[in-house]
Amino acid sequence: DIQMTQSPSSLSASVGDRVTITCRASQTTSNYLNWYQQKPGKAPKLLIYTASSLQSGVPSRFSGSGSGTDFTLTISSLQPEDFATYYCQQSSTIPLTFGGGTKVEIK
Amino acid sequence: QVQLQQSGPGLVKPSQTLSLTCAISGDSVSNNRAAWNWIRQSPSRGLEWLGRTYYRSTWYNDYAVSVKSRITINPDTSKNQFSLQLNSVTPDDTAVYYCAMYDWDYGRFGPWGQGTLVTVSS
Repeated sequence: DIQMTQSPSSLSASVGDRVTITCRASQTTSNYLNWYQQKPGKAPKLLIYTASSLQSGVPSRFSGSGSGTDFTLTISSLQPEDFATYYCQQSSTIPLTFGGGTKVEIK
Repeated sequence: QVQLQQSGPGLVKPSQTLSLTCAISGDSVSNNRAAWNWIRQSPSRGLEWLGRTYYRSTWYNDYAVSVKSRITINPDTSKNQFSLQLNSVTPDDTAVYYCAMYDWDYGRFGPWGQGTLVTVSS
């Protein structure tokens, strides 16, 4: 199985801050890496697919980069509605696996 | 616009079978560019993919090794839905269960069902 490791597991930030979350895979996923946002009581919502493609309707302050085993999700200017938990997920091989999550909290 | 609507009980007794259904609107369970998945989430396991069913001239299933001996995912073309059955449940199977569409072209999940909290308890 491909293990997905996110860091940090949590962070505190202020509105307007630039936030970066990293995800490392235990073996290459090529660019088959997705990012999701989850708010309490809701299903995850797709933000970024194939490492860097912005899902339709997602604000452009979200961006993704990376390939192989190392990936990054960046929020260029954190907004109040962005406080949530973020997950990476690989689609390279089954079982499809998720990272442990990064909780973004208000500073 | 594809929408998924989950149904099923929120409480299951230990050793019994967990059964959930996911009704699809706006697409077909027979879509040969999609797969239909079950994923669960718990504090101890995080987000865990359980398995999927998909149609490529015939029906296929893939299951996670952790549940492979206990899980069945079936399509129902007459009702345009798919189901999850997990046998011999224990309290460790307590989780929020989600169904989700998988877009094969881009390798992405979405949309998701609303989630069902299933508690395994006597």
